[in-house]
Amino acid sequence: EVQLVESGGGLVQPGRSLRLSCAASGFTFDDYAMHWVRHAPGKGLEWVSGISWNSGSIDYADSVKGRFTISRDNAKKSLYLQMNSLRTEDMAFYYCVKGAGATRTLWHFDLWGRGTLVTVSS
Amino acid sequence: ENVLTQSPGTLSLSPGERATLSCRASQSVSHNYLAWYQHKPGQAPRLIMYGASNRATGISDRFSGSGSGTDFTLTISRLDPEDFAVYYCHQYSSSPFTFGGGTKVEIK
Repeated sequence: EVQLVESGGGLVQPGRSLRLSCAASGFTFDDYAMHWVRHAPGKGLEWVSGISWNSGSIDYADSVKGRFTISRDNAKKSLYLQMNSLRTEDMAFYYCVKGAGATRTLWHFDLWGRGTLVTVSS
Repeated sequence: ENVLTQSPGTLSLSPGERATLSCRASQSVSHNYLAWYQHKPGQAPRLIMYGASNRATGISDRFSGSGSGTDFTLTISRLDPEDFAVYYCHQYSSSPFTFGGGTKVEIK
């Protein structure tokens, strides 16, 4: 079955760290760029970060630049998001998303996971 | 960044009616790199349309997309009960990629 399954969400205090993981199955993972998109309560979708098929091209939203790090392990068919110095405004559902092509840009998103909830609160 | 504004915020319609959703961009979306996604509570968002007018695999021909430049439209010709959801537009022509605020299509 073609799917993305996120894990690693939970409750964390402001300033602490959390690492999200995404397990891919049913497609050739290393042929495609991958992204993280988040959805905060009462707000719209926000693209967080993207990585090309070979990790050669990476980008971040300004809101997370310098705090979050995206990475992938093609051998394990997995995508990661290391989130440091978490803020209350980072609280959201985080979705693992597959790009429709190998490059990080110029491709729509054709497969989404169900998301994992990150709650930032003291 | 290219800000996408969707209207209306909520569309209250009955099954069988036609739904017209609008997405307006603050800057021209080059190559019509504009997609639409359907999102139901507790489920993964699903790709409906890409390149403004190309239906994704498995999507009913009741769905059609149109537009170019800064104005785009998603039309659902006859609403099926399974179509009631939130729909988001998304531009992937320039970084940072952005999404509209969503249009909720609810049962009247």
